[in-house]
Amino acid sequence: GAGVSQSPRYKVAKRGQDVALRCDPISGHVSLFWYQQALGQGPEFLTYFQNEAQLDKSGLPSDRFFAERPEGSVSTLKIQRTQQEDSAVYLCASSFGQQNTGELFFGEGSRLTVL
Amino acid sequence: AQSVTQPDIHITVSEGASLELRCNYSYGATPYLFWYVQSPGQGLQLLLKYFSGDTLVQGIKGFEAEFKRSQSSFNLRKPSVHWSDAAEYFCAVGLYNFNKFYFGSGTKLNVKP
Repeated sequence: GAGVSQSPRYKVAKRGQDVALRCDPISGHVSLFWYQQALGQGPEFLTYFQNEAQLDKSGLPSDRFFAERPEGSVSTLKIQRTQQEDSAVYLCASSFGQQNTGELFFGEGSRLTVL
Repeated sequence: AQSVTQPDIHITVSEGASLELRCNYSYGATPYLFWYVQSPGQGLQLLLKYFSGDTLVQGIKGFEAEFKRSQSSFNLRKPSVHWSDAAEYFCAVGLYNFNKFYFGSGTKLNVKP
């Protein structure tokens, strides 16, 4: 597609449920990032992939959070046993990587509400 | 630790007036600096970036920003604001060959007619 696509756009989960958020980056983009944006805050780094390799997961808040990008394109962020503090917008961004200008291309985000 | 500070949470300006949004960063070396804009329901879009060289950089939509090393600042400016500029603006620092980015908490801009 022309841009970064995220689904679902909105997700309501009951506390304790597992959720999966999908990101389809721009074709050819090597780098893929996940960010968490709480209400009234800026995006907070979660994890970074270069192709299929997860090179940095230092921002994942707990072991309930897991991300994968098995074929180096589509990525899934999974949150197990959701808690109310997980409520946020989850942003996916992609870029060409080091060969390019560092510009991140963002999707519209997946808004997760945990009740 | 690296950090980005945007001291103004909300700013309201009249249409046609000038605009300056403040950004300060904390980092041990000269970082890569960015400004992004987020309109409601949209993804973040890059306005401009600074890597090196001329400290005054031009971006899209008539925006510019000036890097001041002595003040660790990268303020965003626009000479004449349009109603369509109402959005939230984020300053960001890029590190480690673009493998990690830190964002400020954002400044929400309202434009009065």
